[in-house]
Amino acid sequence: DIQMTQSPSSLSASVGDRVTITCRASQSISTYLNWYQQKPGKAPKLLICAASSLQSGVPSRFSGSGSGTDFTLTISSLQPEDFATYFCQQGYSTPYTFGQGTKLEIK
Amino acid sequence: EVQLVESGGGLIQPGGSLRLSCAASGFTVSSNYMNWVRQAPGKGLEWVLLVYGDHITNFADSVQGRFTISRDNSRNTLYLQMNSLRAEDTAVYFCASGERWLSNWGQGTLVTVSS
Repeated sequence: DIQMTQSPSSLSASVGDRVTITCRASQSISTYLNWYQQKPGKAPKLLICAASSLQSGVPSRFSGSGSGTDFTLTISSLQPEDFATYFCQQGYSTPYTFGQGTKLEIK
Repeated sequence: EVQLVESGGGLIQPGGSLRLSCAASGFTVSSNYMNWVRQAPGKGLEWVLLVYGDHITNFADSVQGRFTISRDNSRNTLYLQMNSLRAEDTAVYFCASGERWLSNWGQGTLVTVSS
């Protein structure tokens, strides 16, 4: 199985900050890497697919990059509604696997 | 608008069985890739299975041989039959559409396996 390692596991930041979350795969997954945002008690929401493709309706302050084994999610200027948990997921091969999550908290 | 609604969760004893439903609207379940993903309380996301039509179903090792999938096309609904349930199956179960990325998610249904 492909292991996905996210870092950091938690992050404190302020409104307006630029933040970056990283995700590393245990083997090359090309660009089959997706990012989700989850708020407490809610289902995950797809933000970015295929490493860098922003989903319709997702603000442009979110961006993704990377290929092979190393990927990043960047939020250019944090807004209050961005405080949530973020997960990466590889869609290269089943069993699909998720990173352990990054909890983004208000400083 | 695509909508997925899960139901059927509840409290079940270890070794018991439960059937979850995922009712879809806005698209046809039988002609789309569908997944089940679960999340244990306070934990991360775990992919459970991927199904497409009648021919492709992939399961996580943790549920292989215990969980099966079926569909009612007339109701546009996907079913997850869970047998031989264990405490470690306790989780919120989400259905989600998509092949390599999960575009649309239901709200989830909680399954608690406990005596």
